[in-house]
Amino acid sequence: DAGVTQSPTHLIKTRGQQVTLRCSPKSGHDTVSWYQQALGQGPQFIFQYYEEEERQRGNFPDRFSGHQFPNYSSELNVNALLLGDSALYLCASTRDRVSAEAFFGQGTRLTVV
Amino acid sequence: AQSVSQHNHHVILSEAASLELGCNYSYGGTVNLFWYVQYPGQHLQLLLKYFSGDPLVKGIKGFEAEFIKSKFSFNLRKPSVQWSDTAEYFCAVNGGYQKVTFGTGTKLQVIP
Repeated sequence: DAGVTQSPTHLIKTRGQQVTLRCSPKSGHDTVSWYQQALGQGPQFIFQYYEEEERQRGNFPDRFSGHQFPNYSSELNVNALLLGDSALYLCASTRDRVSAEAFFGQGTRLTVV
Repeated sequence: AQSVSQHNHHVILSEAASLELGCNYSYGGTVNLFWYVQYPGQHLQLLLKYFSGDPLVKGIKGFEAEFIKSKFSFNLRKPSVQWSDTAEYFCAVNGGYQKVTFGTGTKLQVIP
């Protein structure tokens, strides 16, 4: 049973560029959440997708957007990258929108130079 | 808004020492509480969780945590740590619909 998978594992982008990160949830899970974990910090909630719609959003600017596909996989897009966007981006999936037990992927390490 | 505070940022213990990591949360309603662990080079893993019922919950690898509602606390404990417990530990709270708020984490270093 595959857990949560994220791609790519590492990414280097230039300031001002755009980036797309991908996530496949654990089998049987239909809800995906994205988190940003800056160095030395705990994960910060970006947003959650359920039934292909953004359901909740944390305190992140509109440069951060996402998408969920019919197979429950998800993408996180960040436009106009800033140096401060450098972080580990984590995807978590849950069995449904009510279940609170999240399973995390290994993350994508984004470095903006 | 919900928030989580972890008081210890870096803890160093010798093997066989007892461990207690503090966690306090702020939220006005019913919460679900979690401790996650991140071993070096690995992804976040659920250590234990509290949803309701017995406030003393037991997790994997001999860890336990006690929910004290009056103190808004959910401290993590282990009677005797091992070198393999070296990791970063995150307390987290979920006040509804899976918006999970994490603390800043505690790095535990266990010295053989």
